Amino acid sequence: NAGVTQTPKFQVLKTGQSMTLQCAQDMNHEYMSWYRQDPGMGLRLIHYSVGAGITDQGEVPNGYNVSRSTTEDFPLRLLSAAPSQTSVYFCASSYRGLSNEKLFFGSGTQLSVL
Amino acid sequence: AQSVTQPDIHITVSEGASLELRCNYSYGATPYLFWYVQSPGQGLQLLLKYFSGDTLVQGIKGFEAEFKRSQSSFNLRKPSVHWSDAAEYFCAVGFNDYKLSFGAGTTVTVRA
Repeated sequence: NAGVTQTPKFQVLKTGQSMTLQCAQDMNHEYMSWYRQDPGMGLRLIHYSVGAGITDQGEVPNGYNVSRSTTEDFPLRLLSAAPSQTSVYFCASSYRGLSNEKLFFGSGTQLSVL
Repeated sequence: AQSVTQPDIHITVSEGASLELRCNYSYGATPYLFWYVQSPGQGLQLLLKYFSGDTLVQGIKGFEAEFKRSQSSFNLRKPSVHWSDAAEYFCAVGFNDYKLSFGAGTTVTVRA
């Protein structure tokens, strides 16, 4: 039982490059979400999904795209990376949502955009 | 507007002393309330949560938190701190079933 797996753990991009952060869970969770963590700002919700084919925006969605074609995977796409997207990214999932559910977090992806 | 505030950026406490971390939120109803801990270079681990019922909640690692509706607060406490409790602590508030808002975090340093 791997839980929530994020890849890669570290990534360096140049401004304007694109990339996809991968997130996979093997717990059959319906709810998945992406957060970014910046010093002094805690974690901020980027996008979330309540099931395959259903996604919605969080607090800071600009510059990021998501899709949910399967229950297991929830990739986060940066179409044109900017230095402001330098951050640590966490994926989290739970069975249904927040009520009476525990959020399981991945170990994070540290992204630097030069 | 909905918001979560952790007033203390950094707290230093002696090993064996008590610890209290503050969390306040702004919301018209009772939200879902959580405390998470993050050790350096690690993901987040849930310490405890409150949805309803008894306002004093027990969590893992000897932590407890008390929900005070009148003060819109959910403060975290531990009676006796261990060196391994040095970490960053985040209060998180769910204003609906799908969006979780985090406070900025409180870094706890434990001195011998």
